[in-house]
Amino acid sequence: EDQVTQSPEALRLQEGESSSLNCSYTVSGLRGLFWYRQDPGKGPEFLFTLYSAGEEKEKERLKATLTKKESFLHITAPKPEDSATYLCAGHSGGGADGLTFGKGTHLIIQP
Amino acid sequence: KAGVTQTPRYLIKTRGQQVTLSCSPISGHRSVSWYQQTPGQGLQFLFEYFSETQRNKGNFPGRFSGRQFSNSRSEMNVSTLELGDSALYLCASSLGSSANTGELFFGEGSRLTVL
Repeated sequence: EDQVTQSPEALRLQEGESSSLNCSYTVSGLRGLFWYRQDPGKGPEFLFTLYSAGEEKEKERLKATLTKKESFLHITAPKPEDSATYLCAGHSGGGADGLTFGKGTHLIIQP
Repeated sequence: KAGVTQTPRYLIKTRGQQVTLSCSPISGHRSVSWYQQTPGQGLQFLFEYFSETQRNKGNFPGRFSGRQFSNSRSEMNVSTLELGDSALYLCASSLGSSANTGELFFGEGSRLTVL
């Protein structure tokens, strides 16, 4: 059974304090690892797709990386507007079950 | 460009009733997926439709069903509602089947409360 586990569940940082969110996965025949951001009362918003180990993607203060067992979302010098829940999802080779999502990391950036 | 539109945004039902939720995808998108989001289980895949055909189905009972129309709009139906069906139901659209891409565009969801 495909599984995606995210840690920590919640993280509180000061503005400008860099950190990383972890996503470990066991997804058979991984075809892609995805990061989404979800704000309260909203649907998830797509951030990145990673396809192979060693791949990196960047967008503003966010950088996503992928190894054979984990993905990391690095947040550099975060601002209060980066506060959100960050979701990781895996897609298996069979494609039979849609995306398998982790439960997310609730990130709070304090000014 | 209009995003994914879900209606209704909020609804309250009682046990045993049924409910129909609607989703209008982004113009040009042919794939619509549905997810259930709860605090305990997170986001769980319900089903996906592509060009009016159900492509994939998650591990939910037969009380959960859906369909897609020729204009790509989709509906999902839950019959004989149970308390545990209380959740945020999210619709997502994509250009192609999600089997080929995980870049989904989500609506804001329909929040269902079952009393």
